[in-house]
Amino acid sequence: SQKIEQNSEALNIQEGKTATLTCNYTNYSPAYLQWYRQDPGRGPVFLLLIRENEKEKRKERLKVTFDTTLKQSLFHITASQPADSATYLCALDEVDSSASKIIFGSGTRLSIRP
Amino acid sequence: NAGVTQTPKFRVLKTGQSMTLLCAQDMNHEYMYWYRQDPGMGLRLIHYSVGEGTTAKGEVPDGYNVSRLKKQNFLLGLESAAPSQTSVYFCASTVAGWNEQYFGPGTRLTVT
Repeated sequence: SQKIEQNSEALNIQEGKTATLTCNYTNYSPAYLQWYRQDPGRGPVFLLLIRENEKEKRKERLKVTFDTTLKQSLFHITASQPADSATYLCALDEVDSSASKIIFGSGTRLSIRP
Repeated sequence: NAGVTQTPKFRVLKTGQSMTLLCAQDMNHEYMYWYRQDPGMGLRLIHYSVGEGTTAKGEVPDGYNVSRLKKQNFLLGLESAAPSQTSVYFCASTVAGWNEQYFGPGTRLTVT
């Protein structure tokens, strides 16, 4: 079965730097890969979706890349701010003949220090 | 629009008790999901539904039942609660396919 690994449990960087989070998967390449943000005590919030035929997607200070050869997605936050501190979850579609489901990584907790 | 709502927000149960968690969405989404989230485990799918009147098992369905009698509601039941079911439960919905999922605020359940 598909497994997702997110690079580290926690990442601590200085305000203004670029934060880079990694999501690796083990088996088949998904058709879609998604990134979510989760704040303590709240449900995840969708950020970006990238399709297998797309190399890169951007939204304001966020950028996602998708490398099917490496079986990896990178999530970048440029000009990071303390307000970007949260847990970021990677998710990808799971092949199922009856429905669409996605599976989630365990997340990376990002802390931006002033 | 309220989006996805969940009731209750918190609950403490004794082992063996039963309860039902309610999820409601006002976005006319076909697909609805129940997840549980435990420290270091990420979100794990319990049950899901692809439309009114249909349900299916996810990754960790044992000890839970669900019903989708109305399109906007998805109920998660625990017939006989166990301490291993202590967790945070999230409901989510999506329009169809592998689109973005909209999550509720979660229910924190403790079983003693």
